[in-house]
Amino acid sequence: GVTQSPTHLIKTRGQQVTLRCSSQSGHNTVSWYQQALGQGPQFIFQYYREEENGRGNFPPRFSGLQFPNDSSELNVNALELDDSALYLCASSLPLGSAGGTDTQYFGPGTRLTVL
Amino acid sequence: DAKTTQPPSMDCAEGRAANLPCNHSTISGNEYVYWYRQIHSQGPQYIIHGLKNNETNEMASLIITEDRKSSTLILPHATLRDTAVYYCIVRVNNYGQNFVFGPGTRLSVLP
Repeated sequence: GVTQSPTHLIKTRGQQVTLRCSSQSGHNTVSWYQQALGQGPQFIFQYYREEENGRGNFPPRFSGLQFPNDSSELNVNALELDDSALYLCASSLPLGSAGGTDTQYFGPGTRLTVL
Repeated sequence: DAKTTQPPSMDCAEGRAANLPCNHSTISGNEYVYWYRQIHSQGPQYIIHGLKNNETNEMASLIITEDRKSSTLILPHATLRDTAVYYCIVRVNNYGQNFVFGPGTRLSVLP
């Protein structure tokens, strides 16, 4: 399945953070979501073959990387208090290999607290 | 904005069928209906999806109306472990298309 590290993280305002994700075997698309307390997940961006392939309404201080082994990182610079949230990574199968669908499978998330 | 409307909460007795409704009156012909659930503080779990035919898997059944403007997720024999927030999402299956999560339905399975 999809794994994420670390499980929990505490940072202070202004710091930078890197969150990591390992996709499910065979998946070459990874998406990142932010979930604030009491709300549904919000799309940050998606990576396919190491290129950004779609982005939600998040500022440039949210950036990402995808590596050849389909692992991925989410980087957030200049942390703000409102960045406190559960960060979710989701991976998906290539289109055409599973009935033509792009079902995303989520990891357990990283809980980030910004003080 | 989410393209679906779901009741904010529902209760279901353990062992009974849980029927979770979803309205998606503006759905397009190439949009699929997806259901995910999220148990407290865990990542969303994929349940089932469909285009226009009813679908069934080991977890649930998905009933889509003929006009595709609404659907129902059925958990045939709800257990306490099915207590979660259930999200209904409509989405085109293309790369770069994200899932737009609304507030979902909080299902409480009662003993």
